[in-house]
Amino acid sequence: DVKVTQSSRYLVKRTGEKVFLECVQDMDHENMFWYRQDPGLGLRLIYFSYDVKMKEKGDIPEGYSVSREKKERFSLILESASTNQTSMYLCASSSPQGWYQPQHFGDGTRLSIL
Amino acid sequence: DQQVKQNSPSLSVQEGRISILNCDYTNSMFDYFLWYKKYPAEGPTFLISISSIKDKNEDGRFTVFLNKSAKHLSLHIVPSQPGDSAVYFCAASAGATSGSRLTFGEGTQLTVNP
Repeated sequence: DVKVTQSSRYLVKRTGEKVFLECVQDMDHENMFWYRQDPGLGLRLIYFSYDVKMKEKGDIPEGYSVSREKKERFSLILESASTNQTSMYLCASSSPQGWYQPQHFGDGTRLSIL
Repeated sequence: DQQVKQNSPSLSVQEGRISILNCDYTNSMFDYFLWYKKYPAEGPTFLISISSIKDKNEDGRFTVFLNKSAKHLSLHIVPSQPGDSAVYFCAASAGATSGSRLTFGEGTQLTVNP
């Protein structure tokens, strides 16, 4: 089974802090994604990556950056945390091999910015 | 600009009856559609998918129907079970690249009453 592991289930940070969310997958997937989930808004794509050192902006990249130095690890960075970044953050990975491989998700990090 | 829309935030059905979850989309470039199920405190898990070259796909109790002319898809669960109670997300992908970015709907909370 695909395993996508997010380093923290719950995280509380203060406004202005630099916050790192880590995600690791064990299936050698090329594609990795970061989403945030908010009530009534579904999942919105923040950033994604098709390969090491590659990154693409999603629908809501403002206030975030990402890092992919190794294939299995994709980090989301909140440069200067703000209260409107309080949310559930979900990481996913997928393989480009074959016809339409679904994305596999981690269990999420619930981040609170005070 | 919500390209994938789930108009019903919630749905309640009796155990053993049919659950029908609906999803509409606006982007005619979408050619692959997925349903995910999400329990509280867990990440979304892939449930079933359908390519735009089909109008129906079945997997056990779950069937997805696609009406391209109406830009509408639906998920049928028959018979519904209490363990099906979860949030269901519809997602869509454009382009032939496997594992490409997904656009999600807002989600529908399904409650199956014993």
